[in-house]
Amino acid sequence: QVRLVQSGAELKKPGASVKVSCKASGYNFVTYDVHWVRQGPGQGLEWMGWINPNRGNTGYAQNFQARLTLTRDTSTGTLYMELSGLTSEDTAVYYCARFVGPAAADYWGQGTLVSVSS
Amino acid sequence: QSALTQPRSVSGSPGQSVTISCTGSSSDVGYYNYVSWYQQHPGKAPKLLIYDVTQRPSGVPERFSGSKSGSTASLTISGIQPEDEADYYCCSYAGMYTSYVFGTGTEVTV
Repeated sequence: QVRLVQSGAELKKPGASVKVSCKASGYNFVTYDVHWVRQGPGQGLEWMGWINPNRGNTGYAQNFQARLTLTRDTSTGTLYMELSGLTSEDTAVYYCARFVGPAAADYWGQGTLVSVSS
Repeated sequence: QSALTQPRSVSGSPGQSVTISCTGSSSDVGYYNYVSWYQQHPGKAPKLLIYDVTQRPSGVPERFSGSKSGSTASLTISGIQPEDEADYYCCSYAGMYTSYVFGTGTEVTV
């Protein structure tokens, strides 16, 4: 079955970077784009960016353009989301999600809580 | 890119129908037929209910349906059940540069 399994919770200090992983299994890894979405405490969903696992090309939301990097390792079927210059406003649950079409995310990771505090 | 506008909350009694609106602009909802809806229970990841405005993935109950008129998309739950109590989010494709935008979210109470 299709699974997206994310790495565990992180606690970071302001100004630091965080790298979250998302291991895909149960399907052909290179077939579908993977997107990243975050959700602040008590807040709504916020789209961050996408990566095509086959070619490695990416797209980022304007809000994250300068400090978000999405990568993948085709040998292990793992996606990575790295966010730099963390502030307390980046405290959120970060999700990876497989998109089977425009805006159609059919499988999601379990979420990774990133807390930013001094 | 601003978030799509949804009502903060809607409620209904079991068996009733409820409709959630999602208002965007001519750059997203009004231009593309790529609107999806997600259900999210507390502490859980979102679940896809509707994609491409009206399409329902296999396994999603028929009581969930989607539609669109102009720049406003809607999700209707016909015959709402207690297990439908959750948060609901719309999402729209917004073009190559903006890519995607989510709605503000609606809490549904049964």
